[in-house]
Amino acid sequence: GAVVSQHPSWVICKSGTSVKIECRSLDFQATTMFWYRQFPKQSLMLMATSNEGSKATYEQGVEKDKFLINHASLTLSTLTVTSAHPEDSSFYICSASPLAGNTGELFFGEGSRLTVL
Amino acid sequence: QQQVKQSPQSLIVQKGGISIINCAYENTAFDYFPWYQQFPGKGPALLIAIRPDVSEKKEGRFTISFNKSAKQFSLHIMDSQPGDSATYFCAASTRSGFQKLVFGTGTRLLVSP
Repeated sequence: GAVVSQHPSWVICKSGTSVKIECRSLDFQATTMFWYRQFPKQSLMLMATSNEGSKATYEQGVEKDKFLINHASLTLSTLTVTSAHPEDSSFYICSASPLAGNTGELFFGEGSRLTVL
Repeated sequence: QQQVKQSPQSLIVQKGGISIINCAYENTAFDYFPWYQQFPGKGPALLIAIRPDVSEKKEGRFTISFNKSAKQFSLHIMDSQPGDSATYFCAASTRSGFQKLVFGTGTRLLVSP
């Protein structure tokens, strides 16, 4: 299957700093990628839809100025958590679907665990 | 109406047994129902998916049963193995909300040796 890679896989930062997480589709192109957040023992909650070459679409309740999304190419989307606070500590997961031969299947990255001290 | 309700929250099954996880939805516009498997510290991986034009789909030991009138679908894992111990999520999406998945709350499955 197609591969989605996230980097870093885990990151620890101080409160008030910003952290960037990358999501790459390694062997396919994707015009749309999705960012999810998952708290321990909970389900995945969609944060935003990242659209290549245009602004991201945020879900209700997600602060767009805090979670900056950039989808600069067909293989890369980035999520920047600005002025991070301990409550932002979570598991962030991205997903994408190939443009070609699209069956609707979403491929997920391995996730990035953020810990804000 | 966007919710997908999943049960049970946790499940313990003996090796070789059948694991059954159920999901229910309200939005009749949903037309794609995947199941994902997630191991601790990893992203979810697609197990099997179904569309409402069929009532059952089987892939290896995994079977989805779909009841359109009841708006319910379930995952059956036959001959459950300890390696199947993971968290399972059902999900749903609409044709217009292409790939914008709504996830169930998850079921933590433990298969005892």
